[in-house]
Amino acid sequence: QKEVEQNSGPLSVPEGAIASLNCTYSDRGSQSFFWYRQYSGKSPELIMFIYSNGDKEDGRFTAQLNKASQYVSLLIRDSQPSDSATYLCAGESGGSYIPTFGRGTSLIVHP
Amino acid sequence: KAGVTQTPRYLIKTRGQQVTLSCSPISGHRSVSWYQQTPGQGLQFLFEYFSETQRNKGNFPGRFSGRQFSNSRSEMNVSTLELGDSALYLCASRLGDTGNEKLFFGSGTQLSVL
Repeated sequence: QKEVEQNSGPLSVPEGAIASLNCTYSDRGSQSFFWYRQYSGKSPELIMFIYSNGDKEDGRFTAQLNKASQYVSLLIRDSQPSDSATYLCAGESGGSYIPTFGRGTSLIVHP
Repeated sequence: KAGVTQTPRYLIKTRGQQVTLSCSPISGHRSVSWYQQTPGQGLQFLFEYFSETQRNKGNFPGRFSGRQFSNSRSEMNVSTLELGDSALYLCASRLGDTGNEKLFFGSGTQLSVL
């Protein structure tokens, strides 16, 4: 069974710090990975996707993928209170194109 | 471009009843997926419809069913409701032709079963 594991948190960081969110996956066939942000009472929205080993940067966000270790992470630099949300990691295997979601990590950025 | 529209926003039902939820995808998107979200289980995949055909199915009982119309709008039906069906039901659309596609989620339908 395909599983994506995340620490539920909450992860609490001070404003301006780097928030590091981690995710592991069980399916070695997973090829693409997505990070969605979900504010309380809202629907998820995509913030990053990555499919190659290494780092991918977009503004304050950096996604990291290590397929050998089956590990994905999301770094948020200069964290802001507006980054406080639940972050969902999802892995997608080739063929079905259906992402499997983790249960999400709650991030709290305090002033 | 209009986003994904789900109706109704809230529903309250009693055990044993059935319910139908509706989802209108973004124009041009042929894939519609349905997810159930609960605090304990997170986001769980129900099924995906593409061009009016169920293309993928998750591990939910047969009480959960869906369909897609020629205009890509989709409905999800849950029969014989149970207390455990209380959840946020999210619909997501995408073009659906390839992988690595972003999912666009609707605002969801919050279902409460009493």
